[in-house]
Amino acid sequence: QLQLQESGPGQVKPSETLSLICTVSGASISSSSYYWGWIRQPPGKGLEWIGNIYYIGDTHYKSSLKSRVSISIDASKNQFSLRLSSVTAADTAVYYCAGIPRPGIAAPGTFYWGQGTLVTVSS
Amino acid sequence: DIQMTQSPSSLSASVGDRVTITCQASHHVSNYLNWYQQKPGKVPKLLIFDASKLETGVPSRFSGSGSGTDFTFTINSLQPEDIATYFCQQYDDLPPTFGQGTKVGIK
Repeated sequence: QLQLQESGPGQVKPSETLSLICTVSGASISSSSYYWGWIRQPPGKGLEWIGNIYYIGDTHYKSSLKSRVSISIDASKNQFSLRLSSVTAADTAVYYCAGIPRPGIAAPGTFYWGQGTLVTVSS
Repeated sequence: DIQMTQSPSSLSASVGDRVTITCQASHHVSNYLNWYQQKPGKVPKLLIFDASKLETGVPSRFSGSGSGTDFTFTINSLQPEDIATYFCQQYDDLPPTFGQGTKVGIK
């Protein structure tokens, strides 16, 4: 069973860079069946996709965050990471890492979520 | 991006009632549509995948239907433990996108 676990600071100061790591277990991050992504949820609000990466390094970012976001992959550690620069209070959210199935390729019903980590932007 | 329009945004129903939530996609998503339940402070829990397939261990009072652009999620006989927010998600195309959520309460 594929599992994901986020790690990183729970608090970041305004204007600094938010950095999170997602460790994948139970499957190789070099699998061609999944994209690896980040999704966030501000307190009391809905879910917002941030971006994703494919094992060969192709990335896709939400257009409104594109100038501030970077997702990278470290296959040797079976991890992928998120960096979000110049954060403000509006970036306060629970951040989830996710295994996003490629339709028709990954097994049905296999959209995987990490447990989520709350990141608060505050001085 | 594919937009997912979910309605209603909230509802209240009595225990034992049937509850229906709809989700409309701005483009065809085949059947790559999931329904989730989320309780406060918890990870979204997958209830229905491929539009109509019940995830293992999920009570049979939950069901889904639809294909293409129009989807329906139903709770037959609402229970107190079903108080939560429910949302749809498509993953036919990147980025995966979500409905706005439906907050379900008990009258």
